[in-house]
Amino acid sequence: GAGVSQSPRYKVTKRGQDVALRCDPISGHVSLYWYRQALGQGPEFLTYFNYEAQQDKSGLPNDRFSAERPEGSISTLTIQRTEQRDSAMYRCASRDSPVSGNTIYFGEGSWLTVV
Amino acid sequence: AQSVTQLGSHVSVSEGALVLLRCNYSSSVPPYLFWYVQYPNQGLQLLLKYTSAATLVKGINGFEAEFKKSETSFHLTKPSAHMSDAAEYFCAVSSESGGYQKVTFGTGTKLQVIP
Repeated sequence: GAGVSQSPRYKVTKRGQDVALRCDPISGHVSLYWYRQALGQGPEFLTYFNYEAQQDKSGLPNDRFSAERPEGSISTLTIQRTEQRDSAMYRCASRDSPVSGNTIYFGEGSWLTVV
Repeated sequence: AQSVTQLGSHVSVSEGALVLLRCNYSSSVPPYLFWYVQYPNQGLQLLLKYTSAATLVKGINGFEAEFKKSETSFHLTKPSAHMSDAAEYFCAVSSESGGYQKVTFGTGTKLQVIP
């Protein structure tokens, strides 16, 4: 597609439910990032994929969070047993090359509210 | 490890006045530096980037930033603020770590433009 597409844009879920957030990167981009942004904060790194390989997951806050990119394109960030503290904007970004100064392009994000 | 410090979470300027948003970075290797802007209810949009070419970088909407290695700074400026510049601005540093470009964001500066 023309840009990074994320869905859903807005998600309200009850505490304890699982949620899955989807990211469709720019076509051909090999690098994919997930970030989380709380209100009043900057984007916080969660995880990085190079093609289908999850190369860095050091930013995932705990084992309730997981991500996959099975075919090296679309990625899903899953949060199990959601808690109110998980409420935030979840941003996906992609880039065409893993080791250059090229720009990373962000999607519009998925707002998650856990009630 | 790399990090970004944005001085001032909120900056107010009068319409037509100089805009100066401060960013200092820390990186153990030569970095790439970016400024992103976030308008209300929109995604992160790239304003400009430094990738080791010219130290003075010009971006969109009349913004520019100067890379100063001796000061480890990458401040964003615009000679004359416009009402439409009101937004949140994020500085980011990117450098190779673990075989990929890890991108770290600052906490953001909200710019208010007073008529």
